[in-house]
Amino acid sequence: EDKVVQSPLSLVVHEGDTVTLNCSYEVTNFRSLLWYKQEKKAPTFLFMLTSSGIEKKSGRLSSILDKKELFSILNITATQTGDSAVYLCAVYAGNNRKLIWGLGTSLAVNP
Amino acid sequence: NAGVTQTPKFQVLKTGQSMTLQCAQDMNHNSMYWYRQDPGMGLRLIYYSASEGTTDKGEVPNGYNVSRLNKREFSLRLESAAPSQTSVYFCASSEGGRDRVFFGPGTRLTVL
Repeated sequence: EDKVVQSPLSLVVHEGDTVTLNCSYEVTNFRSLLWYKQEKKAPTFLFMLTSSGIEKKSGRLSSILDKKELFSILNITATQTGDSAVYLCAVYAGNNRKLIWGLGTSLAVNP
Repeated sequence: NAGVTQTPKFQVLKTGQSMTLQCAQDMNHNSMYWYRQDPGMGLRLIYYSASEGTTDKGEVPNGYNVSRLNKREFSLRLESAAPSQTSVYFCASSEGGRDRVFFGPGTRLTVL
């Protein structure tokens, strides 16, 4: 059965810390991996990764995919309270291009 | 561009009542989705439509029906609401089968 597992489930850090969120997957016919940020509303898109080893970067956030080891990481440097959110990972897989979601990592950044 | 719009934003129903959640997108996307999100359960796919005229069941289709009215609109109907359908419902769309998914603002539904 296709699955996406995120870890840790929750995390509490102080402003200025660097965090690494993990997303591992076991799917048939991998197509792409997506990261989203969800505050108390709809998820908003962060990154889409299709190729191994190529880092995507946006400000203090960056992400990389390892297709051999079947995981991706999302890094946030110099965290701010505005980074507090649930971070969701999803993988497109299979011939029917099904999108499989992880349960998310809840990040709390304390001042 | 409004992106993905959903109505209503909030709704309270009594058990057994019916209602339709409306969704529209103006990005000319082929694929549209209905998700529900419950605490600890993540996003669960109810139904999706890969293209105009087609619909398929997702993980949790029981108690729901959908209509892909045209390329823009994808509605979700609860025929006889149950308390277990209390949830936040998101409509979403994407260009195809490996692209970023755009979400609507969500509908918070409570069934008493």
